Amino acid sequence: AQSVTQLDSQVPVFEEAPVELRCNYSSSVSVYLFWYVQYPNQGLQLLLKYLSGSTLVESINGFEAEFNKSQTSFHLRKPSVHISDTAEYFCAVKASGGYNKLIFGAGTRLAVHP
Amino acid sequence: NAGVTQTPKFQVLKTGQSMTLQCAQDMNHNSMYWYRQDPGMGLRLIYYSASEGTTDKGEVPNGYNVSRLNKREFSLRLESAAPSQTSVYFCASLAGAYNEQFFGPGTRLTVL
Repeated sequence: AQSVTQLDSQVPVFEEAPVELRCNYSSSVSVYLFWYVQYPNQGLQLLLKYLSGSTLVESINGFEAEFNKSQTSFHLRKPSVHISDTAEYFCAVKASGGYNKLIFGAGTRLAVHP
Repeated sequence: NAGVTQTPKFQVLKTGQSMTLQCAQDMNHNSMYWYRQDPGMGLRLIYYSASEGTTDKGEVPNGYNVSRLNKREFSLRLESAAPSQTSVYFCASLAGAYNEQFFGPGTRLTVL
C-alpha cells in the first residue's frame, strides 16, 4: 500500500518570495506522483505529475517538483509566488502498476500575503 | 464540453434522511470515483468504478452505496444520513492514457 505525508499543513509567505511545499511518500512498488491544486470553493485541478523520465517536472504557471527516489520525496517549489497562488495543494501517489487509485496527502494551505 | 458535473452544489439533511448525489462526465472516461474531503484529512476514496457495470469499495465506504448507471453517470447514495457524513463530496473521472483524474466542483453536505 502507498501513503503520503505532507509535512506542513499551512505555509504563509509574502508575495514574490520563494516557496517549497514538502511531500514524502511510502511505497513498496514503483509509483506515479502528482500535485493537485484546489482554489477556494472549487474542485481539484492537476498541477503537475511525474510518471517516468526526467525527475524534474514543471507546470505552466511556474511551479516545479522533483522526484527523489532515495528520499521518497516529491517537493513542490516556486521561485516567486503571486497572490493568485493562494490555494490548497495536495500531493498524491499511485502505484505505477495495478488499478488507478490515488492516495492523497492531507493538503498544505499556501497563503500568499502582499 | 462540461467535464465533470455534480448536483446538487449544497445540501442540508437531517439525521436519518436519505439522498443521492449525482455525477456525470462527458469525456468518455471509463473510470469514475467518489471522494470525501474533510479538514486536515485530504481526500479519501469512498467508492470507485473501473468501468460501466463495476463498482468497488475504497477507504471509507461504510454508510454509502453507489450506482454506475451508464458510462457517463456515477451516483452516490446515503441511505440514512449521519452527522459524521457532513463533508464536501467530489466526483472524479480518469483519463487513463494520461493518468489524470478530472474533478467536479463538489457537493457541500451538512447533516444536522
